[in-house]
Amino acid sequence: DVVMTQSPLFLAVTLGQPASISCRSSQSLVYADRNIYLSWFHQRPGQAPRRLIYKLSNRDSGVPDRFSGSGSGTDFTLKISRVEAEDVGVYYCMQGRHWPPTFGPGTKVDIK
Amino acid sequence: QITLKESGPTLVKPTQTLTLACTLSGFSIGTSGVRVGWIRQPPGQAPEWLALIFWEDDKRYSPSPSVNNRLTITKDTSKNQVVLTMTNMAPADTATYYCAYCSDQNYVWGIPGNVFDVWGQGIMVTVSS
Repeated sequence: DVVMTQSPLFLAVTLGQPASISCRSSQSLVYADRNIYLSWFHQRPGQAPRRLIYKLSNRDSGVPDRFSGSGSGTDFTLKISRVEAEDVGVYYCMQGRHWPPTFGPGTKVDIK
Repeated sequence: QITLKESGPTLVKPTQTLTLACTLSGFSIGTSGVRVGWIRQPPGQAPEWLALIFWEDDKRYSPSPSVNNRLTITKDTSKNQVVLTMTNMAPADTATYYCAYCSDQNYVWGIPGNVFDVWGQGIMVTVSS
């Protein structure tokens, strides 16, 4: 299975400041169609995960443009340009390039 | 609006079989390219993918030793439901179980691709005697 790792595992941020989460995969996530099948999910306490980003950098419908995804074959980044209070929770990266789809351990984001 | 809702028992005894239903709304599991998956999340841990069923009834299961050979996923197109069965439940299977919609727009042949576009609210299942 492809192993997904994330750093940091905990992030305390100031409202209005940027935040960045890293994710790394044990194998390349580039497919024959040249797309990178890496998604990001956000989970607020007591709620189901919600997908924010798919195919490396495509925002899902309704996701604010302060969220952006980038990266290469095995190294990926989720950036929040200006953190808002509603952004607290746990962020997971997930790869969809190889069976089985696998999630990272999560990065917990809180407000300072 | 696409929604999914999980239903089933919230408490099962060790060795029992768990059967969970996912009722779909706003889309049909029979639509070409659509898939529905099951994912579970033990308390305080990351999500873990369990199974995926395709519109044409193809199925994929997690190879994880923790669930291998215990899972069955089926669909009932007339009821617009997807059912997950897990046999021989153990306390380690205690988790919130989610079903999730995978859009036909994001279907990629041969790989999982872009999955889990929309999730249900989840159902917490405890395994205890």
